[in-house]
Amino acid sequence: AQSVAQPEDQVNVAEGNPLTVKCTYSVSGNPYLFWYVQYPNRGLQFLLKYITGDNLVKGSYGFEAEFNKSQTSFHLKKPSALVSDSALYFCAVRDTGYSTLTFGKGTMLLVSP
Amino acid sequence: NAGVTQTPKFRILKIGQSMTLQCTQDMNHNYMYWYRQDPGMGLKLIYYSVGAGITDKGEVPNGYNVSRSTTEDFPLRLELAAPSQTSVYFCASSYGTQGGNSPLHFGNGTRLTVT
Repeated sequence: AQSVAQPEDQVNVAEGNPLTVKCTYSVSGNPYLFWYVQYPNRGLQFLLKYITGDNLVKGSYGFEAEFNKSQTSFHLKKPSALVSDSALYFCAVRDTGYSTLTFGKGTMLLVSP
Repeated sequence: NAGVTQTPKFRILKIGQSMTLQCTQDMNHNYMYWYRQDPGMGLKLIYYSVGAGITDKGEVPNGYNVSRSTTEDFPLRLELAAPSQTSVYFCASSYGTQGGNSPLHFGNGTRLTVT
């Protein structure tokens, strides 16, 4: 079975500071990992993905994520947070042999001015 | 290019009523999906389709039905609405499989309340 956990319901960070949103996963094969962002009253938007290759993945809006196989993690990071980054962030995983994604419960990111 | 369009945006149903949530995409994507989003629960897959005429159950299909007669449209039917179906419903599409190189494209959702 595939599963994903986002251990923090909310992350608070001041504008200009680095941010990290955590994600851990569980699969039996090789994972395909994704981050999506949701702004109020909108659908989810794709940020970045890890399929294979370089463990550091760069995505939209200056976000990046690091795949760590030994820790089964795929944390989302940004060097300098913006107030406009405030949104709900979802991690998702697909195991080899599965045809659908499993989403985490989401982490609300609040960036204060 | 409108992407994924969902209608209606909001709806209030009485228990036992039925309705169809509409979803259409103009990107010629073969894969389409219906999710429901409940607070603190993330997204749960209801049904998905890999192409016209082909549908399959997701994680929470009970109480729902779908059809896929064209590439563009993927309506979700609620036959006997129950309070447990109060949720925000999202339709999504992708060119390939969910975990492949093609990301999901989401509509803006339908907020449904059943009272």
